[in-house]
Amino acid sequence: ETGVTQTPRHLVMGMTNKKSLKCEQHLGHNAMYWYKQSAKKPLELMFVYSLEERVENNSVPSRFSPECPNSSHLFLHLHTLQPEDSALYLCASSQWTQAYEQYFGPGTRLTVT
Amino acid sequence: KNQVEQSPQSLIILEGKNCTLQCNYTVSPFSNLRWYKQDTGRGPVSLTIMTFSENTKSNGRYTATLDADTKQSSLHITASQLSDSASYICVTGNKLVFGAGTILRVKS
Repeated sequence: ETGVTQTPRHLVMGMTNKKSLKCEQHLGHNAMYWYKQSAKKPLELMFVYSLEERVENNSVPSRFSPECPNSSHLFLHLHTLQPEDSALYLCASSQWTQAYEQYFGPGTRLTVT
Repeated sequence: KNQVEQSPQSLIILEGKNCTLQCNYTVSPFSNLRWYKQDTGRGPVSLTIMTFSENTKSNGRYTATLDADTKQSSLHITASQLSDSASYICVTGNKLVFGAGTILRVKS
């Protein structure tokens, strides 16, 4: 798991809190992704960044705000979340586009109370 | 609607036995089909990636097959081990449509 790292691994936050998830990739990739994985549901693609530009936003509520300061780092800023936002948030990276193999981080288990 | 359906939802087998997981998709356009293994509390790890022209691809004890005409794929696991216990996820399409996964549990 040294290729793509995520911090924190676990996060519990109240609905009025503001927190950020961090992802870092050490693979020299150009594209990075945020996914949401809820129990017994398929992975949902949230955001796609390519060369630090957001190229896809899949109707994600504005309480989730991504940031990609460079090609190695990706953040997901969280504010005023709802209990249904509790899930495993996975970061992934790939060379160029989704057509290439994606490498996933270990995920952040988020619980909203 | 682009969908990926996996079956069974869950499966329990004895160590050393073989098993086959199924994936049916209606996704178009089709670029490649991927199988991932996801251990509990971890991110998915790629097992195989097949283009539409490939019928079969192996990775150790894992063998994936693809029938692009019927839009079906299978993942066969040979001589299962306890460490094979995980969720197996089928993914396809240019926009990567994910199946819900099959949860496999290998018992000793």
